[in-house]
Amino acid sequence: IAGITQAPTSQILAAGRRMTLRCTQDMRHNAMYWYRQDLGLGLRLIHYSNTAGTTGKGEVPDGYSVSRANTDDFPLTLASAVPSQTSVYFCASSGVAGDNEQFFGPGTRLTVL
Amino acid sequence: GENVEQHPSTLSVQEGDSAVIKCTYSDSASNYFPWYKQELGKRPQLIIDIRSNVGEKKDQRIAVTLNKTAKHFSLHITETQPEDSAVYFCAASIAGGYQKVTFGTGTKLQVIP
Repeated sequence: IAGITQAPTSQILAAGRRMTLRCTQDMRHNAMYWYRQDLGLGLRLIHYSNTAGTTGKGEVPDGYSVSRANTDDFPLTLASAVPSQTSVYFCASSGVAGDNEQFFGPGTRLTVL
Repeated sequence: GENVEQHPSTLSVQEGDSAVIKCTYSDSASNYFPWYKQELGKRPQLIIDIRSNVGEKKDQRIAVTLNKTAKHFSLHITETQPEDSAVYFCAASIAGGYQKVTFGTGTKLQVIP
């Protein structure tokens, strides 16, 4: 692995189904983030994690949950998908204090029907 | 929380002309202002950032200015080229830790050859 990866690349999902988007980084970054990107709305923070074992809510957390069991992985779960969760999802990570550049994954395009 | 407004939402310029994108922020505690470029179908990537202890920063054809009193900052691209065509996002956060970054809604820049 080089950098930050996401899986799947894209997914079509029936409403009501459960879905987990995966995110893994190998840069030993402490902080990780999940954003959704919708046309005209930019990047909106869903959840974040400052370090392994801790998580926090962002701007649009409803309908999503995250966990951070270790430094490398930060999965995002949709417990019961709804059409309004159709979006492109980006995972990102950033390093130690004073270095706030965020490195983004390639994104997951999710369509909920 | 922080609120970042970005203008214009779209911008078309002739190749060789300059482009300026402006952002305002609301939280006077914010002191780190990155700019990200997102090419079509790609992930956002950092192109330049500025911290509150400086008023201007340049990197070849790209410059960013910051006015902390007025709480606004701008991205300047000179001698634009077709490869500058992309969506640009400004953002604001508090450096020195694992702070959340608040993004603007993006500017779609089109450079016409």
